[in-house]
Amino acid sequence: EPEVTQTPSHQVTQMGQEVILRCVPISNHLYFYWYRQILGQKVEFLVSFYNNEISEKSEIFDDQFSVERPDGSNFTLKIRSTKLEDSAMYFCASSLWGGNTEAFFGQGTRLTVV
Amino acid sequence: DAKTTQPNSMESNEEEPVHLPCNHSTISGTDYIHWYRQLPSQGPEYVIHGLTSNVNNRMASLAIAEDRKSSTLILHRATLRDAAVYYCILVPTNTGNQFYFGTGTSLTVIP
Repeated sequence: EPEVTQTPSHQVTQMGQEVILRCVPISNHLYFYWYRQILGQKVEFLVSFYNNEISEKSEIFDDQFSVERPDGSNFTLKIRSTKLEDSAMYFCASSLWGGNTEAFFGQGTRLTVV
Repeated sequence: DAKTTQPNSMESNEEEPVHLPCNHSTISGTDYIHWYRQLPSQGPEYVIHGLTSNVNNRMASLAIAEDRKSSTLILHRATLRDAAVYYCILVPTNTGNQFYFGTGTSLTVIP
């Protein structure tokens, strides 16, 4: 079965450092998403991406965050200057179309900011 | 943001059917009803989705009320592996297709 893969599985970084979280969506999918889940809390939407541009973003997705699809296969989330409160699980997802198709989620990257 | 209401938690005995309810009284005509689940320490996993008609797949069934203001996810025979948080999500098809998660229902399966 096709799957979304995320690397690394766990990243530890110092406050103020830049991090890039990587995702390989399912190859023929057109919609891509990033979510985060702070320990013990709900899954929060960050951003959706379609046709090489951001289609929606939440209030969480401020100027410190950016996304990119650099080579047609990878989908990255960059946090420019990490804060302690950025510590969370980050999930990437992709779907073939939009609401009438299922979204496939990766296993997540646990980001720990120290 | 998420516009669904689910019970915080439910329990079921193993091998019994489970009916997980969801209210979505403000659903619009273009919203799909999706169900996902999240097992401990894993990413969300698709379960089922539908628009107006009831749906069945290998994992579950989805019963959608005629007025679409509520739906029920049915697990026909709960197993220990079904213990997870189940999320009912409305996905709009005309405004970006993002999936907003609520707090979900935490299902405990009792052996």
